[in-house]
Amino acid sequence: GAVVSQHPSWVICKSGTSVKIECRSLDFQATTMFWYRQFPKQSLMLMATSNEGSKATYEQGVEKDKFLINHASLTLSTLTVTSAHPEDSSFYICSASPYRAFGEKLFFGSGTQLSVL
Amino acid sequence: GQQVMQIPQYQHVQEGEDFTTYCNSSTTLSNIQWYKQRPGGHPVFLIQLVKSGEVKKQKRLTFQFGEAKKNSSLHITATQTTDVGTYFCAGGSQGNLIFGKGTKLSVKP
Repeated sequence: GAVVSQHPSWVICKSGTSVKIECRSLDFQATTMFWYRQFPKQSLMLMATSNEGSKATYEQGVEKDKFLINHASLTLSTLTVTSAHPEDSSFYICSASPYRAFGEKLFFGSGTQLSVL
Repeated sequence: GQQVMQIPQYQHVQEGEDFTTYCNSSTTLSNIQWYKQRPGGHPVFLIQLVKSGEVKKQKRLTFQFGEAKKNSSLHITATQTTDVGTYFCAGGSQGNLIFGKGTKLSVKP
């Protein structure tokens, strides 16, 4: 199956610093990638849809300036948590699909556990 | 807004017992997908259902999509310890894929 690589797996940072998370589709091109946040024992919350070559689409309540998304190529999307604070600590995970049609199955990255001190 | 409700939130079973998780949508879905997330892992696609009343089987797992395309279920027969994890449904509608909150399954050997 398709492979989505996410890096880093975990990161610890000081409050006020910025953290960049990468999501790569290794064996397919993805014009669209999705970024989620998952709190312990909770579901996946879609944060934004990353579109190659254009601006990301953010879900209601997600701060665009806080969570910067860049999708500069067909295989790479990045999520930057700017000026991170302890409340930003969470599990962030991306997904992508090699299929063009909407609704096709998603392949998930392994996730990034962010801890902000 | 559109919601996908999933129950139960937790299920503890003895190995060998059956397990079922249910999803209900507030709106008609174009499709429904099921994912499994092992502890400490990431969601992995299990199956997609598209047709009204569709039933699909994967070994001990049976997936159903309701006639009205608003509900779905996942049934595991004779659970094994390898079945532990959180099972998520995700309903597709109007360009969105909405995840249920998941059902965390634990299996006691």
